Amino acid sequence: GAGVSQSPSNKVTEKGKDVELRCDPISGHTALYWYRQSLGQGLEFLIYFQGNSAPDKSGLPSDRFSAERTGGSVSTLTIQRTQQEDSAVYLCASSWDRNTEAFFGQGTRLTVV
Amino acid sequence: GENVEQHPSTLSVQEGDSAVIKCTYSDSASNYFPWYKQELGKGPQLIIDIRSNVGEKKDQRIAVTLNKTAKHFSLHITETQPEDSAVYFCAASARSDKLIFGTGTRLQVFP
Repeated sequence: GAGVSQSPSNKVTEKGKDVELRCDPISGHTALYWYRQSLGQGLEFLIYFQGNSAPDKSGLPSDRFSAERTGGSVSTLTIQRTQQEDSAVYLCASSWDRNTEAFFGQGTRLTVV
Repeated sequence: GENVEQHPSTLSVQEGDSAVIKCTYSDSASNYFPWYKQELGKGPQLIIDIRSNVGEKKDQRIAVTLNKTAKHFSLHITETQPEDSAVYFCAASARSDKLIFGTGTRLQVFP
């Protein structure tokens, strides 16, 4: 069990294609985060889900990015019409509640060619 | 807007020396301040956290201090070891409780 699981671990896609990245959080965790990490850079906040509240989408860089969380569990991050600057590691994290330890997955390395 | 600044970006120390990493935050409503360690090819892992009602917290060789008035907090690692080499990130909770991360510090501990 147990940890946050992300799939795929690696994804290579052609420019202009759509991609879906999946996150399975730890069971029972109410909070779920998506971050983007470019090579050697920090963690850029994308979106935050907390329970049944409306998600905080303030970090999504453009309308090509969207995310949903079904049934309060699995989350999918979708990038439409991918561009080369979307290449990065996408990290998902979940926590029991707000302001508690966030557990990260291993990330999905996305390469747009 | 919500912002967390982190310094230095790189830090090299001799084994056994201490290392200090500093962060400042902009949102006065922030009340939760975790520190994460990221090793190559892995996701970040929590090493210590502190809440706004506490000024200092210690866990073996690691300590964190918080100055709410100045809106800054620091990570202190004593008696550094080569296995402490990694990238360290500070973070602060923001309005809506999302976590905003600093830009990271690459720590290298030389034997």
